[in-house]
Amino acid sequence: SQTIHQWPATLVQPVGSPLSLECTVEGTSNPNLYWYRQAAGRGLQLLFYSVGIGQISSEVPQNLSASRPQDRQFILSSKKLLLSDSGFYLCAWSSRGLVKETQYFGPGTRLLVL
Amino acid sequence: QKEVEQDPGPLSVPEGAIVSLNCTYSNSAFQYFMWYRQYSRKGPELLMYTYSSGNKEDGRFTAQVDKSSKYISLFIRDSQPSDSATYLCAMKGGNKLVFGAGTILRVKS
Repeated sequence: SQTIHQWPATLVQPVGSPLSLECTVEGTSNPNLYWYRQAAGRGLQLLFYSVGIGQISSEVPQNLSASRPQDRQFILSSKKLLLSDSGFYLCAWSSRGLVKETQYFGPGTRLLVL
Repeated sequence: QKEVEQDPGPLSVPEGAIVSLNCTYSNSAFQYFMWYRQYSRKGPELLMYTYSSGNKEDGRFTAQVDKSSKYISLFIRDSQPSDSATYLCAMKGGNKLVFGAGTILRVKS
């Protein structure tokens, strides 16, 4: 069966510091991978998605970037965090060829920027 | 107007009640509909998905889609305290995927 991992689970960072969140998927090959942000009381906002190694699509302009160095690894980064980057970050995967269809989510990383 | 509207709740019901959760949408291009359940501080988990209008049943859960009215529903029969969570609808059409903001459900024992 497939599993998806995210770490860290919780992170408190000062404004202006860098960020690196990691997501890995097990039990599937060539998945589509996604990064979402969920703000309190708001829906999921798709930030990035990737259909393959090195292939990143950005959905919204922002202070963040994403990379996919390996088939089942997806990284969300920032060089300098802003207060507005606080939120709950979720990684998700879907089967190859079904971009933006049925997605399975990881446990999330709660980020607080102070 | 948001593309997907979902009442945030909270919706509070007694144990054993039938729960109705709803989303409306404005984009007629949406063809693929999903419901997710999200427990507090956890990632969403997929409950049901459907392509077509009509009903789809899975245990105590029934998903209903009315494309003519641009309205989808999730019914939960015999609700349990363990059903207490936030329920998110999601819709896809073309290359667009949109999530509702979620409805908080509380089932009281």
